Order: sequence, then structure tokens, then C-alpha cells
Amino acid sequence: DTGVSQDPRHKITKRGQNVTFRCDPISEHNRLYWYRQTLGQGPEFLTYFQNEAQLEKSRLLSDRFSAERPKGSFSTLEIQRTEQGDSAMYLCASSSNLYARKNNEQFFGPGTRLTVL
Amino acid sequence: GNSVTQMEGPVTLSEEAFLTINCTYTATGYPSLFWYVQYPGEGLQLLLKATKADDKGSNKGFEATYRKETTSFHLEKGSVQVSDSAVYFCALTISNYQLIWGAGTKLIIKP
Repeated sequence: DTGVSQDPRHKITKRGQNVTFRCDPISEHNRLYWYRQTLGQGPEFLTYFQNEAQLEKSRLLSDRFSAERPKGSFSTLEIQRTEQGDSAMYLCASSSNLYARKNNEQFFGPGTRLTVL
Repeated sequence: GNSVTQMEGPVTLSEEAFLTINCTYTATGYPSLFWYVQYPGEGLQLLLKATKADDKGSNKGFEATYRKETTSFHLEKGSVQVSDSAVYFCALTISNYQLIWGAGTKLIIKP
């Protein structure tokens, strides 16, 4: 078990370009989460998958953002027509619902830092 | 709505000092409460958690007690070390999927 991994770790792009991030959860985890964290703030929830189904999306997730988890394993987060305000750390987490509801610990990846110039 | 408020940092202490980082919350329903830690250059790690009132979470010498009457979950450690320098986040979940976070408190421990 290598933990949650994210790729790339850093991405610099020009405004208006599209970017895609990948998250590989812990292998036996069926739940996957995306968060966004800006400097000096706590993470903000973006979206959540159980297996391949996207069950919840935050209002923060504008129509330029799309997330997929096609086979219930890895997930991708795409941002189209990036804006400078999209600059942030994008965090992925995974968890298992195998145990009791309130023991649903989320394990985080190292994040992808996006800089939009 | 649901929210978490934690004390602003940075908090600067000398090694072996007593640590308290305050965290209060507002929540509809019965949240689970968490402290996460982020060491420099690393991802968020769960430090401790409590799932019901009066539960005490503990790990690595850190403790926090779920106080429903004061809606608090303050983080404490009796004797801090330089290696405890990090950013600490208080968080809650109602729904069991969405974590709601405080802004984080940076802790600096000087030798």
C-alpha cells in the first residue's frame, strides 16, 4: 500500500489553457474526494465519488471543472479555460466505507499545486 | 450552516512548552471531529479524531476532547518538540463524506 498518489505534483499553465490532474487512491478504497486549498486556508470540498458514481458536487465546482472516475479506481480532475483564480493546491483523498460510518477516515495525497499565469 | 473556527497563528513556543490550539465548531446534527496535521512539504495526515460527545482522541502525545456543551475540540500537548512544527487543521464531518475545515494554525517550536 503506497498511499494516495497524485500527478503531477506541480503544474504551471497559462490562462485559458486546459489542465488535467490524476489521483490514484489506496487500492481497496471505494470513496474518492477532491478538495481545493488556497494559501492560508483550509481545504474546500469540491466533489466525491463512491466507486465510479459522482455523488456530490460543491457549488465551487463551476462548469469549467469536471471530474471522472471511470472504473472506480483512479480519478481525473480537469479544469478548462483556466483562470488565475484557479491557482491553488488540489488535494485528493480516499476512504473505505467498510467500517462503521463514523470511522470513515480520509487519507490524503500530497496534492497538485496549480499556478495559472 | 456547518463551520469550524480555530485560533489564528502562527503560534510560537519553546521546546517542552504546553500547547493548546483552540477549535470551536457550529454544526447541525452530530458531527465527528478531527485534527489533521500538515508537515512542511507533506500531505495532510489524520492526527486524532472523536466521533461523539466526551470522546477523547489521542495520538503522538496530542489529545483533544469532544465537548458538546461548549462546541469545542481543543488540541493539547503537554511538552512540544521541534518536530511538532507544522500546520494543524481542525475539521468536522456531518455527512461522512465532506470534511469542513478550519483555516489552519501554524505551529513553530523553537529549540
